[in-house]
Amino acid sequence: EIVMTQSPATLSVSPGERATLSCRASQSVRSYLAWYQQKPGQPPRLLFYGASTRATAVPARFSGSGSGTEFTLTINSLQSEDFAVYYCQQYNIWPPTFGQGTNVEIK
Amino acid sequence: EEQLVESGGNLIQPGGSLRLSCAVSGFTVSSNYMSWVRQAPGKGLEWVSVIYRGGDTHYADSVKGRFTISRDNSKNTVYLQMNSLRAEDTAVYYCARHDSITSSYFFDSWGQGTLVTVSS
Repeated sequence: EIVMTQSPATLSVSPGERATLSCRASQSVRSYLAWYQQKPGQPPRLLFYGASTRATAVPARFSGSGSGTEFTLTINSLQSEDFAVYYCQQYNIWPPTFGQGTNVEIK
Repeated sequence: EEQLVESGGNLIQPGGSLRLSCAVSGFTVSSNYMSWVRQAPGKGLEWVSVIYRGGDTHYADSVKGRFTISRDNSKNTVYLQMNSLRAEDTAVYYCARHDSITSSYFFDSWGQGTLVTVSS
């Protein structure tokens, strides 16, 4: 099973600043990487698939990059609605596995 | 509008059984891959089970032999029968649709979840 490791566990950012989240896979997952956003009491929401393809209605301030074992989610000019937990997930090798999440909190 | 509505979560004793339901509107479950994904309290996400368009099913090792996924096409509903429940099965259980275009193993639509608590 592929282990997904996200860093940092918590990221404190001021509104308007940039947030950079990392996700590392224990072996190559090529570009089969998705990102999700989850707010308290809500289900996850798909942000990206294929490492960098934005899902429907995802604002342009969000961007995804990477391939192989190293991936990055960048949020430019953080808005209040962006403070949430973000998960990466690989779907290259069965079973699909998730990272433990990065909590983006208000500084 | 696509909607997935889970139900059936409850407090159950270890060793007990429970059946979760996921009623879908806005798309057809039999035309999609459908999965259950769970989230233990304060923890991350764990994929549990999938049912393919053709009816094939697969399970995470942690639930294999105890959980069964199924669907009723006439009711457009997916089920998760959970037997021999353990404390570590305590979680919010989400019903999720695989990518509707490629059926890849990422999830583009989710229900609100139903809470299963296994405790004596």
